Amino acid sequence: AQSVTQLGSHVSVSEGALVLLRCNYSSSVPPYLFWYVQYPNQGLQLLLKYTTGATLVKGINGFEAEFKKSETSFHLTKPSAHMSDAAEYFCAVSDGNQFYFGTGTSLTVIP
Amino acid sequence: GAVVSQHPSRVICKSGTSVKIECRSLDFQATTMFWYRQFPKQSLMLMATSNEGSKATYEQGVEKDKFLINHASLTLSTLTVTSAHPEDSSFYICSARRLAGGSGELFFGEGSRLTVL
Repeated sequence: AQSVTQLGSHVSVSEGALVLLRCNYSSSVPPYLFWYVQYPNQGLQLLLKYTTGATLVKGINGFEAEFKKSETSFHLTKPSAHMSDAAEYFCAVSDGNQFYFGTGTSLTVIP
Repeated sequence: GAVVSQHPSRVICKSGTSVKIECRSLDFQATTMFWYRQFPKQSLMLMATSNEGSKATYEQGVEKDKFLINHASLTLSTLTVTSAHPEDSSFYICSARRLAGGSGELFFGEGSRLTVL
């Protein structure tokens, strides 16, 4: 069975500070991992994904995530937060058929 | 990139009426589309999987007679909320996958906010 845990439903960072959003997964098969961002009253937009190969994945808007199999983690980071990064972030795992979403992390950026 | 379009983005209706939401894959064919419901400040709840040319597969606890799903073509799935009541008010999001199975990501529509008075 697959599941996703996002630690911290709310994260606040100062503008220019490091962003770290945590995601741990459970999967009985090699997972495909995704991070999505959702702005108010909008659908979800793909930030990045890990399928195979390089474990450090770079996405849009300066975000990146590292797949760590030993830790079953796929944390999302960005070196310097921007005001426009304020949004809801969802981590997801797929077994190739179904998608399983975490409960989301709301990111607030403080000017 | 792939685009999924949802319409309408906002709809207000009276209690007891039915509302139809459309989900279209604009530049790819989607044999499978997914319908989610999202409550404020919460994650997505998968309602059903819409399969082109066949019946939708509903998740446990989702009333299939309440939420009618039709996937008449490879680019269009519709969700009809029948006899809507205030508790049906929510944000509904559809998604589609360009590639069946494997590592393909989900592409999401813009969402439809339903308010039932």
